[in-house]
Amino acid sequence: ETGVTQTPRHLVMGMTNKKSLKCEQHLGHNAMYWYKQSAKKPLELMFVYSLEERVENNSVPSRFSPECPNSSHLFLHLHTLQPEDSALYLCASSPLGGGEGEKLFFGSGTQLSVL
Amino acid sequence: QKEVEQNSGPLSVPEGAIASLNCTYSDRVSQSFFWYRQYSGKSPELIMSIYSNGDKEDGRFTAQLNKASQYVSLLIRDSQPSDSATYLCAVIRGKLIFGQGTTLQVKP
Repeated sequence: ETGVTQTPRHLVMGMTNKKSLKCEQHLGHNAMYWYKQSAKKPLELMFVYSLEERVENNSVPSRFSPECPNSSHLFLHLHTLQPEDSALYLCASSPLGGGEGEKLFFGSGTQLSVL
Repeated sequence: QKEVEQNSGPLSVPEGAIASLNCTYSDRVSQSFFWYRQYSGKSPELIMSIYSNGDKEDGRFTAQLNKASQYVSLLIRDSQPSDSATYLCAVIRGKLIFGQGTTLQVKP
């Protein structure tokens, strides 16, 4: 088990539902990330938080809304999703603050299916 | 041109052979390079990092970097079936940019 835990592991939702993904890191890291992994595509960075401040929003649609209440917790609130949003959503953390050379530690991911 | 390019494979090698995984990147100013391993249904885990030209060895793994050719590779010696996974190349360019990964199959 890694030091980054994500819940739920699997989620099926309709396009009109609202749900949230949760991530918690137990490593004392200062930066947290949301990535999207679709089949046959590279990992896509969605959001970066450093010391609880959002430092990166990689042109993500507003139907995805991140929240970082403290340096250990990260949420991704989902609403009015589309079937093409079905993917593995990975949370990661890094020690210092997301700078050059930072190594990422990933959670196990949430496999999301949008019907 | 993709920022980080990998052949998706699958790359199939017999047990005990050397597996060679390759990655090219488009931005010359990139300074930090990483290899992550991702087993099917699991999250990526960091296995190697390399920052300067040349080779870096860690057990059965060797990372090779050639900045002039914008090329980074991962060699796995004495490949084992447990090495079967997708290997993701990642490059820092302000943020971490991943390739799509190469699937390696090591056959007993």
